[in-house]
Amino acid sequence: QKEVEQDPGPLSVPEGAIVSLNCTYSNSAFQYFMWYRQYSRKGPELLMYTYSSGNKEDGRFTAQVDKSSKYISLFIRDSQPSDSATYLCAMSARSNSGGSNYKLTFGKGTLLTVNP
Amino acid sequence: NAGVTQTPKFQVLKTGQSMTLQCAQDMNHNSMYWYRQDPGMGLRLIYYSASEGTTDKGEVPNGYNVSRLNKREFSLRLESAAPSQTSVYFCASRALGTNQPQHFGDGTRLSIL
Repeated sequence: QKEVEQDPGPLSVPEGAIVSLNCTYSNSAFQYFMWYRQYSRKGPELLMYTYSSGNKEDGRFTAQVDKSSKYISLFIRDSQPSDSATYLCAMSARSNSGGSNYKLTFGKGTLLTVNP
Repeated sequence: NAGVTQTPKFQVLKTGQSMTLQCAQDMNHNSMYWYRQDPGMGLRLIYYSASEGTTDKGEVPNGYNVSRLNKREFSLRLESAAPSQTSVYFCASRALGTNQPQHFGDGTRLSIL
């Protein structure tokens, strides 16, 4: 079993739809959870960063973490064509000195297309 | 701000040739990373440097070497390129401290014939 599982899609939705992207993980040491967005021919850029279980909201984006189920989600409200990209989940364990470890483990990414 | 800069952006090599990919960051970050991204495989860590003067292997280090030249620069070298190393290579950096995310460059697209 891979440490991080992410459905690669592709996912195609109409403009204005609510999008739900998900990852599951098996390593209970993971404590820090991130979502990156990657446009075609560009590097990943950080969208959301969460530590605790629960929800974190930033504009149209909501990140949700359920550590008991080892499941994280990213919701996009009122999706726009500019949201079309690959979305990568990433996570890391706690370092010995506290805080996030140096290394991230990534999901394979979900390709999202939002159609006008 | 430039952030993380990778050079070159594209390169085609023949099998057996050597090549050094360059990465520089201007954010005064302590940690730097090299990843490769392949279709269906996601991002895989090749090597990383937690701080200046240290380097460690990641998930897929075979066939690669790295040099942390100074705090700003972290290079990746392919001594004898193989077709299996055809990929998109990303460099990333991270600040010291808790809860700091990694920041990525825009990648080097490498084809080995």
